[in-house]
Amino acid sequence: EDQVTQSPEALRLQEGESSSLNCSYTVSGLRGLFWYRQDPGKGPEFLFTLYSAGEEKEKERLKATLTKKESFLHITAPKPEDSATYLCAAHNQAGTALIFGKGTTLSVSS
Amino acid sequence: NAGVTQTPKFQVLKTGQSMTLQCAQDMNHNSMYWYRQDPGMGLRLIYYSASEGTTDKGEVPNGYNVSRLNKREFSLRLESAAPSQTSVYFCASSVTQGARNSPLHFGNGTRLTVT
Repeated sequence: EDQVTQSPEALRLQEGESSSLNCSYTVSGLRGLFWYRQDPGKGPEFLFTLYSAGEEKEKERLKATLTKKESFLHITAPKPEDSATYLCAAHNQAGTALIFGKGTTLSVSS
Repeated sequence: NAGVTQTPKFQVLKTGQSMTLQCAQDMNHNSMYWYRQDPGMGLRLIYYSASEGTTDKGEVPNGYNVSRLNKREFSLRLESAAPSQTSVYFCASSVTQGARNSPLHFGNGTRLTVT
């Protein structure tokens, strides 16, 4: 069964303290690995898509990487405004739907 | 350019009542989706419409029906609401289902409580 697992469930950081969020996946014929950001009371907002192992994408303080089994979202020198829930999702070979992880809730304090 | 618009934002129903959740997108996307989000469960697909005129079941379709009214609009209907349907419902759209460079774009959700 296709599955996406995110860890940790929650992460508390001090402003400027870099860290990484993990997304491990078991998906038949991965066709894309997606990262979303979700703020309280809002819908998920698209961040990145990764397609093949070794691929990296960056946006401001965020960098997403992909291996054959995992994806990481690296957060460099986070700020309080980076506080949100980060969702990982995978498209399997059938491509009919995204399979979402349960998310990592990040809190950054100043 | 509003993106994906969902109405209503909040709704309280009594068990057995019916209602329709509305969704419209203005991005000229072909594919549209309905997800529900529950604490500890993540986002789960209820129904999707790969293109105008087609609809298919997702992971959790029981108790729901959908209508792809036109290219812009995709509605979700609860015929007889149950407490287990208390959830946050998200509508999403994408250029083309399953295609490269076609991420989902989400609305801001409808928060439904069934008592």
